[in-house]
Amino acid sequence: EDQVTQSPEALRLQEGESSSLNCSYTVSGLRGLFWYRQDPGKGPEFLFTLYSAGEEKEKERLKATLTKKESFLHITAPKPEDSATYLCAVQASSSASKIIFGSGTRLSIRP
Amino acid sequence: KAGVTQTPRYLIKTRGQQVTLSCSPISGHRSVSWYQQTPGQGLQFLFEYFSETQRNKGNFPGRFSGRQFSNSRSEMNVSTLELGDSALYLCASSLGGLPETQYFGPGTRLLVL
Repeated sequence: EDQVTQSPEALRLQEGESSSLNCSYTVSGLRGLFWYRQDPGKGPEFLFTLYSAGEEKEKERLKATLTKKESFLHITAPKPEDSATYLCAVQASSSASKIIFGSGTRLSIRP
Repeated sequence: KAGVTQTPRYLIKTRGQQVTLSCSPISGHRSVSWYQQTPGQGLQFLFEYFSETQRNKGNFPGRFSGRQFSNSRSEMNVSTLELGDSALYLCASSLGGLPETQYFGPGTRLLVL
């Protein structure tokens, strides 16, 4: 069965303290892996799409990487405004056009 | 370019009633997907519409239905509401559907009493 697991569930960092969020997936044929950021009471905001192992994408303080089994979202020198829930989602060949979301990582950055 | 819009933003209903939610995709986008988000289950896929046809469906009962119009706007209907249907309902649009990037709307917060 296709599955997406995110860890840790919650992460508290000091401003400027770099870290990584993990997204492990078990799917039959990855068609795409997506990272979103969600603020409380709002819809998810698109960050990155990764399609194949070895691919990397960067945006400001965020960098997403992909292997055959997992993806990492690296956050460098975070600021308080980076506090949010970060969601990972995958689309698998076996699931046609269905997309499966992980449960998210709640990131809190203290000033 | 305007983003995805959803109406209404908030809704309170009672058990047994039905509700219709609306979603207007980004201009030019032909695919609209619907999701239910709850604290316990997270984000779950309901269905996807592309060019007025339902292309895929998640594991939800038949009380949940949808449709898409020729201008790509979409509606989602939930009949015979249950307390467990209380959730944030999100729609997302993309140009041609998955695995292309989806852009989400702000959601409709539904409370069933």
